[in-house]
Amino acid sequence: ETGVTQTPRHLVMGMTNKKSLKCEQHLGHNAMYWYKQSAKKPLELMFVYSLEERVENNSVPSRFSPECPNSSHLFLHLHTLQPEDSALYLCASSPAGTALAYEQYFGPGTRLTVT
Amino acid sequence: AQSVTQLDSQVPVFEEAPVELRCNYSSSVSVYLFWYVQYPNQGLQLLLKYLSGSTLVESINGFEAEFNKSQTSFHLRKPSVHISDTAEYFCAVSDFSGGYNKLIFGAGTRLAVHP
Repeated sequence: ETGVTQTPRHLVMGMTNKKSLKCEQHLGHNAMYWYKQSAKKPLELMFVYSLEERVENNSVPSRFSPECPNSSHLFLHLHTLQPEDSALYLCASSPAGTALAYEQYFGPGTRLTVT
Repeated sequence: AQSVTQLDSQVPVFEEAPVELRCNYSSSVSVYLFWYVQYPNQGLQLLLKYLSGSTLVESINGFEAEFNKSQTSFHLRKPSVHISDTAEYFCAVSDFSGGYNKLIFGAGTRLAVHP
C-alpha cells in the first residue's frame, strides 16, 4: 500500500459502543494528524503527533482518545459518542522539522455515524 | 494568529468557462500556501503549493494560483473547467508557531461545473 490509509472507511456505532479508527502512513513521515470534517463546518484539527509525542489537543472531548504507538500508525479510540460526533474523520501525515514539513498528505477518511 | 478566508462558499460555472476561487490569508510571518481538492467521499489531495520563488504556481491539471503579498491573496484559477473539476477546494496556510507543522484551512469553496 502507498500513501495514507484509513480503516474502516465507514462506521456506524451506537452511543454506548467503543470502537477505534486506524490510520497508517507509508511515506516515512514522523508527524500525524486527526481532523474532523462535519457538514457545513470548516475542517477542525483535533490532535497532532510529532515524533510520536502529542503536541496539540484542540479542546477535544475526552470521549475521543488518540494513540500513536509509532511514527507509522495513529489510532483514534471512541467511546460513548454523541450524535453530533457523526462526521468524516481524516488522518494526515507530514515530515517534521524540514522544509517539506509544511505539506500534509491525507487519507481517504472514515465516515462515522453515531446512532 | 494566522487565518484563511475563502470568500465564496459555492461557485457554479458552466463547462469550458474560466473560474477563479478566492483565498485571502492573514499572517505576520513568511507564508507557505496550499490549495487542496476534495472529491466526493474522498480525502483531501494537494493541488498546488507556494513555498518560495515564482509567485505563479501551476498544477498538472491546468489550475494555477498566484501569490500576491501586497493583497495577501492566493487565488486559484483555471481558464477552462471540466465537469470532472466539480469538487470542494480548500485553501490553507502553514503555521509553525507551536514548534511543529500544522495547516490552517479555509472553510472551503464548492465548485459545481454544469454542462
